Amino acid sequence: DQQVKQNSPSLSVQEGRISILNCDYTNSMFDYFLWYKKYPAEGPTFLISISSIKDKNEDGRFTVFLNKSAKHLSLHIVPSQPGDSAVYFCAASAYTGGFKTIFGAGTRLFVKA
Amino acid sequence: DAMVIQNPRYQVTQFGKPVTLSCSQTLNHNVMYWYQQKSSQAPKLLFHYYDKDFNNEADTPDNFQSRRPNTSFCFLDIRSPGLGDAAMYLCATSNQYGGNQPQHFGDGTRLSIL
Repeated sequence: DQQVKQNSPSLSVQEGRISILNCDYTNSMFDYFLWYKKYPAEGPTFLISISSIKDKNEDGRFTVFLNKSAKHLSLHIVPSQPGDSAVYFCAASAYTGGFKTIFGAGTRLFVKA
Repeated sequence: DAMVIQNPRYQVTQFGKPVTLSCSQTLNHNVMYWYQQKSSQAPKLLFHYYDKDFNNEADTPDNFQSRRPNTSFCFLDIRSPGLGDAAMYLCATSNQYGGNQPQHFGDGTRLSIL
């Protein structure tokens, strides 16, 4: 039962263009959504988050959009840079009988120079 | 720099031979987590501690145990590793529970079973 799904295993984008990474979820109890970035041989690092009461959060080149009715969120990276090439994990959290964070399987982003 | 450190980075053990993975943190965070991640899959939460308060996920195998002797250290013990336990094990910390409390991860320990 995958509560958080990232349906695209990989994405390739030209440098300077927009990268859009998508994430779908099934549990309407999730109250926060987070994106983590992971380089090879390193642990995931926090990138950006959004509360379920908002529909957009922006931090520099990174913007996360949340569509609660569709149970969908997306991460936009503009402009994409070669250093953005990494695996991006979507995560969702909730207090349901204890605190839980559920991760998606990740999307590998390739930014071509 | 404050950080989360996992040792060793690579661990090889024999089928059925107990193994312990370690995690330490200098962030002084209250919460520590252990995740298992298999290739191309989502990190899966095994355990988490708030201070010494231990929380076991319902589907974590009995073969897996954890210890947190103090704020800084947390251990993952696998009593009788099977081939299916080969994975990357990630340790993470956060100051509090909550989605507005991002987790800080170590670089992981890759466990191989012979």
